[in-house]
Amino acid sequence: SQQGEEDPQALSIQEGENATMNCSYKTSINNLQWYRQNSGRGLVHLILIRSNEREKHSGRLRVTLDTSKKSSSLLITASRAADTASYFCATKGGSRLTFGEGTQLTVNP
Amino acid sequence: DTEVTQTPKHLVMGMTNKKSLKCEQHMGHRAMYWYKQKAKKPPELMFVYSYEKLSINESVPSRFSPECPNSSLLNLHLHALQPEDSALYLCASSLTWGRYSNQPQHFGDGTRLSIL
Repeated sequence: SQQGEEDPQALSIQEGENATMNCSYKTSINNLQWYRQNSGRGLVHLILIRSNEREKHSGRLRVTLDTSKKSSSLLITASRAADTASYFCATKGGSRLTFGEGTQLTVNP
Repeated sequence: DTEVTQTPKHLVMGMTNKKSLKCEQHMGHRAMYWYKQKAKKPPELMFVYSYEKLSINESVPSRFSPECPNSSLLNLHLHALQPEDSALYLCASSLTWGRYSNQPQHFGDGTRLSIL
């Protein structure tokens, strides 16, 4: 399986701090995606990074991809209480999108 | 508000009932998906439709029957479900599907299904 493993499983920080989540996977990929899920809601796509890209930015989000280490990280800068959610990495190799176990981020006001 | 609409939001049914979940998108996407998500776990792929044809069935039990009447609609027909089928059922869509597609998926807010 190329399911991603995320680290940490849970992260609690204060508002204004940065949050970093990591994702590791096992096989080659076409792209890696990050999604956010608020409690009781569907998943929201945050950012997609292709296998030939190393870093990508979107607003307060920064994603890196190291295909040699089969790992990715998601950095959320200047976190807000509204960033409290579960964050999933998802790898796409072949035709399927496979989700990691997720990181539960809590941002305390 | 999400661009993928799922109805109903909540559904309680007995093991002998027949019900259907509905999903609709008007983004012109040609791929649609059903996922099952248990509490505190990631979504698990059930079915993929591409251009209204079933492309992937992840060995889902036959008590779940998908249907794609047209490019905007996706249904999931339920019959004789078991208590372990209680979960959040998520519908998603993407512009394209396939090995080399680099399109993100857009998710609905899901149907919370409880089997008595």
